[in-house]
Amino acid sequence: NAGVTQTPKFRVLKTGQSMTLLCAQDMNHEYMYWYRQDPGMGLRLIHYSVGEGTTAKGEVPDGYNVSRLKKQNFLLGLESAAPSQTSVYFCASSYWDIRYDSYEQYFGPGTRLTVT
Amino acid sequence: SQQGEEDPQALSIQEGENATMNCSYKTSINNLQWYRQNSGRGLVHLILIRSNEREKHSGRLRVTLDTSKKSSSLLITASRAADTASYFCATDASRGSTLGRLYFGRGTQLTVWP
Repeated sequence: NAGVTQTPKFRVLKTGQSMTLLCAQDMNHEYMYWYRQDPGMGLRLIHYSVGEGTTAKGEVPDGYNVSRLKKQNFLLGLESAAPSQTSVYFCASSYWDIRYDSYEQYFGPGTRLTVT
Repeated sequence: SQQGEEDPQALSIQEGENATMNCSYKTSINNLQWYRQNSGRGLVHLILIRSNEREKHSGRLRVTLDTSKKSSSLLITASRAADTASYFCATDASRGSTLGRLYFGRGTQLTVWP
């Protein structure tokens, strides 16, 4: 199994350009998440999804949109990129572990985005 | 806002020494997890401790949880250079509107010198 994959790995955008980050998981997980990680800020949740066709806002959703048309894919869109969106973006997926009533998250390798 | 906060922010030790990292959180939890992140990589789950547990072991890892103080600690014994990474605690909240969400701290950067 590939686990959680993210495309692309690196991207440089000019201010105002748009792009879509793709996350795919092959573990049949219900839940998927998009985080951004900035130095000294830890992980901040952008949007998440608790199932196919559903999305919800996290801590820092402004400037981003998401879609979950297929269970295995979670797309993150930037409609008009800004320098403040320069960050490393991580996708994660999880499932409910009935043994522990918990949600262990599995992370992708990240996408490093620079907006100039 | 993030629920977990790790302490210290950075820790530097020699190989063979023990490394202790602490995590404090604000609200009641169902369980607490620790993750590791190697430089330039995604986070990897290390260990989970439930709110009704006080201590848990996994190999060289020992996790404690004190729900009365809303704190947890991660001990790595006999550290190796390969343990160099950032370590994050993550908590969940009650089920319902936050279903499936974890709240991550800012992490502790551990450096183990050969």
